[in-house]
Amino acid sequence: ETGVTQTPRHLVMGMTNKKSLKCEQHLGHNAMYWYKQSAKKPLELMFVYNFKEQTENNSVPSRFSPECPNSSHLFLHLHTLQPEDSALYLCASSQFDDRSQPQHFGDGTRLSIL
Amino acid sequence: GNSVTQMEGPVTLSEEAFLTINCTYTATGYPSLFWYVQYPGEGLQLLLKATKADDKGSNKGFEATYRKETTSFHLEKGSVQVSDSAVYFCALTPFYSGAGSYQLTFGKGTKLSVIP
Repeated sequence: ETGVTQTPRHLVMGMTNKKSLKCEQHLGHNAMYWYKQSAKKPLELMFVYNFKEQTENNSVPSRFSPECPNSSHLFLHLHTLQPEDSALYLCASSQFDDRSQPQHFGDGTRLSIL
Repeated sequence: GNSVTQMEGPVTLSEEAFLTINCTYTATGYPSLFWYVQYPGEGLQLLLKATKADDKGSNKGFEATYRKETTSFHLEKGSVQVSDSAVYFCALTPFYSGAGSYQLTFGKGTKLSVIP
């Protein structure tokens, strides 16, 4: 399997639930990213990991907790979410030190908060 | 800071029409420029890229030329098809990165609908 794979593709959860989103990349990249895509809003970068170390946290609420156990896997742990957190969550990967190489995206997890 | 501005959508065209989606950027030096496409229900896919001035990126009949003098990277296609209906994002990575990773700055996206 190649590319960036995200699971699950769809997730419905209540505000008190705890769930996790998973991302796996098979491209040999060393940087991974979480983005949030909401209707009628620009793409929002949430977290960046280079070589498993978090280098960016763009003022994301603590109810979102990322984890990067190795350069191929990235998780986003969710707890006590709000209705406004309903969105498409996209994972991406890239070579962090090469500006000419594009980020590769997964197909996203569509999250709905009840 | 860096920014990308692309034309507001939605854009509706008839099949075989000519497409232009304008994109301009603000950045220091020579950023790398990208067009991504997002089909319904999918993530973003790289459509084409250009990494230096006057480079032309092309793929699937789409083209864009890196114009440093006008800080633009307009997307064009001579004859669109229904299957081109999607959201198109212009993006850049900066020339320098103090953090070590070259993060993408995206435009807001332009939704294209092509009707038969």
